[in-house]
Amino acid sequence: DVKVTQSSRYLVKRTGEKVFLECVQDMDHENMFWYRQDPGLGLRLIYFSYDVKMKEKGDIPEGYSVSREKKERFSLILESASTNQTSMYLCASSWGTDRYFGPGTRLLVL
Amino acid sequence: RKEVEQDPGPFNVPEGATVAFNCTYSNSASQSFFWYRQDCRKEPKLLMSVYSSGNEDGRFTAQLNRASQYISLLIRDSKLSDSATYLCVVNSVGQKVTFGTGTKLQVIP
Repeated sequence: DVKVTQSSRYLVKRTGEKVFLECVQDMDHENMFWYRQDPGLGLRLIYFSYDVKMKEKGDIPEGYSVSREKKERFSLILESASTNQTSMYLCASSWGTDRYFGPGTRLLVL
Repeated sequence: RKEVEQDPGPFNVPEGATVAFNCTYSNSASQSFFWYRQDCRKEPKLLMSVYSSGNEDGRFTAQLNRASQYISLLIRDSKLSDSATYLCVVNSVGQKVTFGTGTKLQVIP
């Protein structure tokens, strides 16, 4: 059974703070993704990675960066958190077009 | 036009009823299609893939209409536990997938 874990379920940060969200998968998937989910907007892709040290911008990369130093781990970084980055962040991994999601991190930026 | 569109609902149906959702997509070159289920405050989980000839999994039937560019999900004999948001997912190019914003289903006792 695929397991995707995220470092925090809930997080509260202040504007301007640097925020790290970590994601780990245990199925040796090549592909990993970071999405954010907001009411009425659905799931939007922030960044993805098809291999170690490789990253590609998704649809809304502004204000975010990522790191993939190991195959099983994909980190999302908010360089300077802003209130419009308050959201639910979902990590996913896959072999192909399916997506296995982690439980999500609810981030509140004050 | 959005790449993937769904009626947000909510669809409020009594237990035992049959309910159907549609989802339209804009890219005629889309290759594969899925339905995901998302419970309140939880992550989305794959419910079923949608095959060209249509497919069934217990009480759930998925169909694809390429000519009209929509997919559908039919739930028969609705259970309270079917209450969730159903996300339509379309794969257009390579491994890029686009998620719909979801249709909320509430099954009422």
